[in-house]
Amino acid sequence: GENVEQHPSTLSVQEGDSAVIKCTYSDSASNYFPWYKQELGKRPQLIIDIRSNVGEKKDQRIAVTLNKTAKHFSLHITETQPEDSAVYFCAASSGNQFYFGTGTSLTVIP
Amino acid sequence: GAVVSQHPSWVICKSGTSVKIECRSLDFQATTMFWYRQFPKQSLMLMATSNEGSKATYEQGVEKDKFLINHASLTLSTLTVTSAHPEDSSFYICSVTPTSYEQYFGPGTRLTVT
Repeated sequence: GENVEQHPSTLSVQEGDSAVIKCTYSDSASNYFPWYKQELGKRPQLIIDIRSNVGEKKDQRIAVTLNKTAKHFSLHITETQPEDSAVYFCAASSGNQFYFGTGTSLTVIP
Repeated sequence: GAVVSQHPSWVICKSGTSVKIECRSLDFQATTMFWYRQFPKQSLMLMATSNEGSKATYEQGVEKDKFLINHASLTLSTLTVTSAHPEDSSFYICSVTPTSYEQYFGPGTRLTVT
């Protein structure tokens, strides 16, 4: 099955700085790569996603890049704010099954 | 997007008892639903794929006799944790995927086994 690795596991940044989280996947058949934000005790919320036929996607302060050849994709958050503090998960999917990375706990320091 | 509910949101049970968790797809007929388990400060681990009208497909390492899944209708899947033990305490989340590019999660059920 698919194996998704995510780094770093924890990340602290100063408010206003950028945060980058990286993921790799193993199954070349994976063609959809969503990113989720999860607050404690709540369900994951989709924040951005990218399909395999696209190399980069941006939505305001959030962007995702995908390198299919290298099988890695990254989440970029610019101008971080305290409310960005949460756990972020990447995922890879081929068909309807989603496999998650191990998560990154992001702390934005005011 | 699809609306998914779970019941209960939090359950405490005694060791050795069984507990049932319901996952409902409120506005989408789901032939397939997914069950995840999430331990504190860890990722979501796919436990099984629930298939309407047929047996569930379990991920490697998940005991099918311990985690019974029933997908009796297109809107309801249930997960029963049998003979629960403290190590089964976790956050259980279900999801539906209307398309290959969409996944909607339920709010989760926190299980505490004492």
